[in-house]
Amino acid sequence: QKEVEQDPGPLSVPEGAIVSLNCTYSNSAFQYFMWYRQYSRKGPELLMYTYSSGNKEDGRFTAQVDKSSKYISLFIRDSQPSDSATYLCAMSARGNNRLAFGKGNQVVVIP
Amino acid sequence: GAVVSQHPSWVICKSGTSVKIECRSLDFQATTMFWYRQFPKQSLMLMATSNEGSKATYEQGVEKDKFLINHASLTLSTLTVTSAHPEDSSFYICSARTETHQPQHFGDGTRLSIL
Repeated sequence: QKEVEQDPGPLSVPEGAIVSLNCTYSNSAFQYFMWYRQYSRKGPELLMYTYSSGNKEDGRFTAQVDKSSKYISLFIRDSQPSDSATYLCAMSARGNNRLAFGKGNQVVVIP
Repeated sequence: GAVVSQHPSWVICKSGTSVKIECRSLDFQATTMFWYRQFPKQSLMLMATSNEGSKATYEQGVEKDKFLINHASLTLSTLTVTSAHPEDSSFYICSARTETHQPQHFGDGTRLSIL
């Protein structure tokens, strides 16, 4: 079993819809959780960073962490064509430099 | 804030040459910098971790004599691909962070093509 599972299947949604992405993980030592957005031929851009269970909201983005279920989610409200990108979840454990990444989820928002 | 600049963004060179890639943190001091490699439609693969003023720690299977990393200051790390060959062609991305448990911030990557 991989440390971080993220269904990479492309996701197409109409403009204005809510995008829902999620990752599951197996390592209970993970304490820090991130979502990155990566456009084609660019580096990942940090969208959300959280280290506690619950919800964190930033504009149209909401990150959700459920440590008991080892499950994290990212919601994008009122999606725009400019949100079309690959979304990567990442996480790390206390005292460990290394980030464990999901495979990435390609999202296409159709105008 | 938290801007990481990577240069060059694209380089094409002949087989056998060495290529240097720079990674700079523009508005923060990066105690730790990371170098990744990314293949098409795949996630990032960590190559090495470097702390300012000390030797880099390489991941298993990464040749340290092939991929030379220098982290000479709190704002600059360089990756030199020595005697590059076509199989070294890839997308190389650096990241930087301030302290442990702070998130990594990534540069925009360098597309390396070896002919």
